[in-house]
Amino acid sequence: GAGVSQSPRYKVAKRGQDVALRCDPISGHVSLFWYQQALGQGPEFLTYFQNEAQLDKSGLPSDRFFAERPEGSVSTLKIQRTQQEDSAVYLCASSLGQDGYTFGSGTRLTVV
Amino acid sequence: AQSVAQPEDQVNVAEGNPLTVKCTYSVSGNPYLFWYVQYPNRGLQFLLKYITGDNLVKGSYGFEAEFNKSQTSFHLKKPSALVSDSALYFCAVRDGGSNYQLIWGAGTKLIIKP
Repeated sequence: GAGVSQSPRYKVAKRGQDVALRCDPISGHVSLFWYQQALGQGPEFLTYFQNEAQLDKSGLPSDRFFAERPEGSVSTLKIQRTQQEDSAVYLCASSLGQDGYTFGSGTRLTVV
Repeated sequence: AQSVAQPEDQVNVAEGNPLTVKCTYSVSGNPYLFWYVQYPNRGLQFLLKYITGDNLVKGSYGFEAEFNKSQTSFHLKKPSALVSDSALYFCAVRDGGSNYQLIWGAGTKLIIKP
C-alpha cells in the first residue's frame, strides 16, 4: 500500500486482557519498528525487525510484550495481561534503508 | 551516548512571522538528523532529513533546517508561519555509522496565533 497501516486505531482493554496490534508496512520495506508514545512525549523504541528477524527487542518493557513478523511483512505486537501503565499510543514505522521512517497513524490503547 | 534536546516545550509565533524550533544532538559518529510533525490523533509525518551534503535542508510545507556541526544543532525554520503549522514537532537523530535506532527529542508544541 501507499503507507503504513495500523489496526485497530483505538483499543480499550480491561486490565488483564490480552491485546494484539497489527502493522502493515509499506510493501518492500525491509525494516520495521515498534514505538510506544506516552501522551505529550516522544516515541520510545520497543523493537526492530529486519525482514522476519527480530534484531533488537531491548525496548520491550516486560515479558508481557511480544512482537512477531513471521513472513517479513505484516507485524503483530501482542501485550499479555494488560496493565494500566500499558496505556499509550503504539506506533509502527517501516523503512527501506537510511531514509527517514514512514509511520502509521498508531493504535491508541487504553487499559481500564 | 546518543541524545537529542529540544529546549523549548512550547513556541508561540504570530501568523506571518518567521518561526524557529530548536534542536541539539549528541552522537558518537556522523549524525543522521530528522524532523517530524505530529497533528492531534495522527501519526508522525516526515518533514525533512539531513544525511550528508548541503547544510541547509529544505523539506515539506515550506520548512527548512540548518545543520550546524560546530554547535551540534539542527534547528527547524520557516520564513512565514501559518496557523495550520500548529502541531507537535519532534527532532530525532541516529548514528549513521551503525545504529538503526532513532533517538527522539521530547517534542516542541508550536502554536501559531492568527
